[in-house]
Amino acid sequence: DQQVKQNSPSLSVQEGRISILNCDYTNSMFDYFLWYKKYPAEGPTFLISISSIKDKNEDGRFTVFLNKSAKHLSLHIVPSQPGDSAVYFCAAPNQGGKLIFGQGTELSVKP
Amino acid sequence: EPEVTQTPSHQVTQMGQEVILRCVPISNHLYFYWYRQILGQKVEFLVSFYNNEISEKSEIFDDQFSVERPDGSNFTLKIRSTKLEDSAMYFCASSPRRANNSPLHFGNGTRLTVT
Repeated sequence: DQQVKQNSPSLSVQEGRISILNCDYTNSMFDYFLWYKKYPAEGPTFLISISSIKDKNEDGRFTVFLNKSAKHLSLHIVPSQPGDSAVYFCAAPNQGGKLIFGQGTELSVKP
Repeated sequence: EPEVTQTPSHQVTQMGQEVILRCVPISNHLYFYWYRQILGQKVEFLVSFYNNEISEKSEIFDDQFSVERPDGSNFTLKIRSTKLEDSAMYFCASSPRRANNSPLHFGNGTRLTVT
C-alpha cells in the first residue's frame, strides 16, 4: 500500500537551522493529513495536522504545507533543536478512517 | 494529559502459543485501534473498533486475531496461535471521533517476540 510515501529515509540538520521533511500521496480523496513524531521505544505522538481546505497550518516551530495539485506535503521545523531528533511519519486517513502511514524519515539534529 | 497505556511492554512467547495484548484507551474516546510495526517497516493498520464491534480490519487481521472490549476501560488484542512473522511492535490507539478528522493517540506499544 504505497498511497503515502516518504522518499527520504533520513535527514541530518544542524541545530538552529530549518528541517524540511517531505511526503507525497497518490489518493486524491485524502482530505486530512497528519504528522507524527516517534522516539525509540515509544508510540507515535501526534504533532500537527492539516485539512485539505487549507494550504498551511502553523503551531509554534512546526509548520505543515499542503500542495494539493502536486499531492505533496511538507513539515518545516524552525529552528531545529537536538530534541527534535526522531522518526517523523506523515499519515492520512482513508474514507473508512484507516490511517495510512508513510515509511518515516529519521531526523537527526546535530548540536 | 490523559494517555493510552499498554501492557506488557515486552512479551516473549513460543510459536503456536496464544498471547493477549492489553490496552487502556483514553477514557472519553470512542474509537479504538490496533496497529503494528515490524522492525524496519511501516506502521500498518490492523483493526478499528467502535460501538463494541469491528469497524474495519486489514488483510493481516485474519481469524487468528481477535479484539475485545471486556469492560468499560480495557481493549485487548488476542493472537490465538502466534507465528514467527507476528513478531512486531503492536500499538493501541484511540480517538474521540473518527480518524477522518481527529488525530489518533497512541500508546507506547508492546514488543512481541515470537521464538
